[in-house]
Amino acid sequence: AQSVTQPDIHITVSEGASLELRCNYSYGATPYLFWYVQSPGQGLQLLLKYFSGDTLVQGIKGFEAEFKRSQSSFNLRKPSVHWSDAAEYFCAVGAGNTPLVFGKGTRLSVIA
Amino acid sequence: GAGVSQTPSNKVTEKGKYVELRCDPISGHTALYWYRQSLGQGPEFLIYFQGTGAADDSGLPNDRFFAVRPEGSVSTLKIQRTERGDSAVYLCASSYGTANYGYTFGSGTRLTVV
Repeated sequence: AQSVTQPDIHITVSEGASLELRCNYSYGATPYLFWYVQSPGQGLQLLLKYFSGDTLVQGIKGFEAEFKRSQSSFNLRKPSVHWSDAAEYFCAVGAGNTPLVFGKGTRLSVIA
Repeated sequence: GAGVSQTPSNKVTEKGKYVELRCDPISGHTALYWYRQSLGQGPEFLIYFQGTGAADDSGLPNDRFFAVRPEGSVSTLKIQRTERGDSAVYLCASSYGTANYGYTFGSGTRLTVV
C-alpha cells in the first residue's frame, strides 16, 4: 500500500528566505506525486504534480518540486518565500484508479 | 459548476443524531472522493465513486457511514448515530477520470458532534 511521510510537522522561515519541504513516499511502482496547499478554513489547492518525464516540475505561486526515485522523495521548494505562503502543505501519492494517499502535512510559518 | 461545492460549511449536531453532508462536484467530473480531516492530520480517504457506483469504500470507518451518488453527480455522505469522534472536516473532491489528473477539492464541511 502507498504511504507518504512528511518528516517536518512545522517549519518557520523568514520572508525572502528559501524553502524546502520534505516528502518521502512508499509505493511499489512509479507513483504519481502531488503537492497541495491548504490555507486556514479552506480546501486543498493543487500546487503541482508529477506523472512522468522531467523530474523537476514547476507549479503555481513560484513553487517547484523534484522527483528523486533513488531517494523515494518529492521535495517542494521555493527560492523566496512570501508572507502569503504561510499555510499547511500536503504531499500525496497515487496511481491508476487508487485514491490519493496524503501525508500528515507540514505547517509553514513565515516571519518578518 | 465552477468549483466543488459542499454544504453545509458547518454542522453542529448532538451525539446520536443523523447527519447528511452534500457535495456538488465540477460538472463533467466522473470521479468523486470523500475524505475526512481531523485536526492536525492529513486527509484520510473514505470512499470513491466512479459515476454512480462506489468503486472503493474501504476507508469508511464502520457501518454508521454511508454515501450515495444516485445520478452520477451530487453525492451525499450520511452518518448515523453520530459520535464525538466523528467530529472533523469532511472534504469532497472531484476529478476528470482517475486520480492521476489531480483532484479539485471543496472547502469542506466542519462537523462538530456535541
